[in-house]
Amino acid sequence: QVQLQESGPGLVKPSETLSLTCTVSGGSISSYYWSWIRQPAGKGLEWIGRIYTSGSTNYNPSLKSRVTMSVDTSKNQFSLKLSSVTAADTAVYYCARDLDEYGAGWFDPWGQGTLVTVSS
Amino acid sequence: DIQMTQSPSSVSASVGDRVTITCRASQGISSWLAWYQQKPGKAPKLLIYAASSLQSGVPSRFSGSGSGTDFTLTISSLQPEDFATYYCQQANSFLLTFGGGTKVEIK
Repeated sequence: QVQLQESGPGLVKPSETLSLTCTVSGGSISSYYWSWIRQPAGKGLEWIGRIYTSGSTNYNPSLKSRVTMSVDTSKNQFSLKLSSVTAADTAVYYCARDLDEYGAGWFDPWGQGTLVTVSS
Repeated sequence: DIQMTQSPSSVSASVGDRVTITCRASQGISSWLAWYQQKPGKAPKLLIYAASSLQSGVPSRFSGSGSGTDFTLTISSLQPEDFATYYCQQANSFLLTFGGGTKVEIK
């Protein structure tokens, strides 16, 4: 079955760029929508945005000016960059796939999540 | 943005109890609603999509209903492994949004 694994630095300095990669195994990255979702400690879930394997993207307007997503089909990976980070960006970051190829917008499967802390 | 409001924010229940969680959308979303279960330190798990479709492998004690603005998640007979936080999520608009969560605790 398809599995997702996030990777990237666990500590990022304020004003710098957070960079994460999600590696997809057990299946092809093609023909699906892939999302990033985050969750500050003890709080709820926030959808950051998603990318299709063609490279088309939808971003959360509240983060749009700072977010860039990309996909590398040759490596079965997709990536998130979030610029000008502050302490408010400290969270567990999850990558997730749309349930089916129709892109309805429900998420399954998910990665295990990676904690990113913004601190000097 | 479509705001999703869950109630209650927490509920205390016993094993075997019937538990109902409500999710209300700030505008009509037809049946574009999903429910997730999240346990501490784990990623959310999809339970229900399209308001009432049970995800593969999810026990039949979970059910979802509703359309438009009002939705419910029902656990017909609470099991020990069901103590967790539950989130609704709308997929009616390009901006996907989640409810604030409902924590199901042991009574």
